[in-house]
Amino acid sequence: DAGVTQSPTHLIKTRGQHVTLRCSPISGHKSVSWYQQVLGQGPQFIFQYYEKEERGRGNFPDRFSARQFPNYSSELNVNALLLGDSALYLCASSRGGGRGPEAFFGQGTRLTVV
Amino acid sequence: EDKVVQSPLSLVVHEGDTVTLNCSYEVTNFRSLLWYKQEKKAPTFLFMLTSSGIEKKSGRLSSILDKKELFSILNITATQTGDSAIYLCAVLYYNTDKLIFGTGTRLQVFP
Repeated sequence: DAGVTQSPTHLIKTRGQHVTLRCSPISGHKSVSWYQQVLGQGPQFIFQYYEKEERGRGNFPDRFSARQFPNYSSELNVNALLLGDSALYLCASSRGGGRGPEAFFGQGTRLTVV
Repeated sequence: EDKVVQSPLSLVVHEGDTVTLNCSYEVTNFRSLLWYKQEKKAPTFLFMLTSSGIEKKSGRLSSILDKKELFSILNITATQTGDSAIYLCAVLYYNTDKLIFGTGTRLQVFP
């Protein structure tokens, strides 16, 4: 089985631009969560989606948005990029719905804002 | 405010040593505690602990949870250079799949 796949792996953007990050969960997993990890810190929760509905939102500004598609893949969008948005963005998938909460992570997208 | 605290922040040992990593938490709606190993990018799942006092074991790694004292430990025996990584502790909330992470413990194992 393929693991969690994220694209792109690396990205360089300019301040003020918009970025879209993509995630495909493990087959059979219906829950996708997004995390931001800055250097030297643990991942910080941004969003969780289950069955295409938002189930949780972290303490991030409205510039951050996400959605989940019928095939359970997900996109994270960030508008009006700031230098401080530079980080590793991780996607995690799990079965959801109480059927095995272990989350499995993708390789991440390294976003650099210049 | 909910928080997860890991200690030590950094650890340097020689191959063959045994290490103990600590994780304490103050979290409402606690469901489970998870340990991950992060070498380059993707955190790799190690253990999920839900019940107190039941040790989970995988090879040289083992972990246990104390829900009364609100902490967990991760033990690694006979460390190898391949154990060098950041070890992350996270708490899972009820009713969501949200994880709250500690800052991690950076383990360096030298030959």
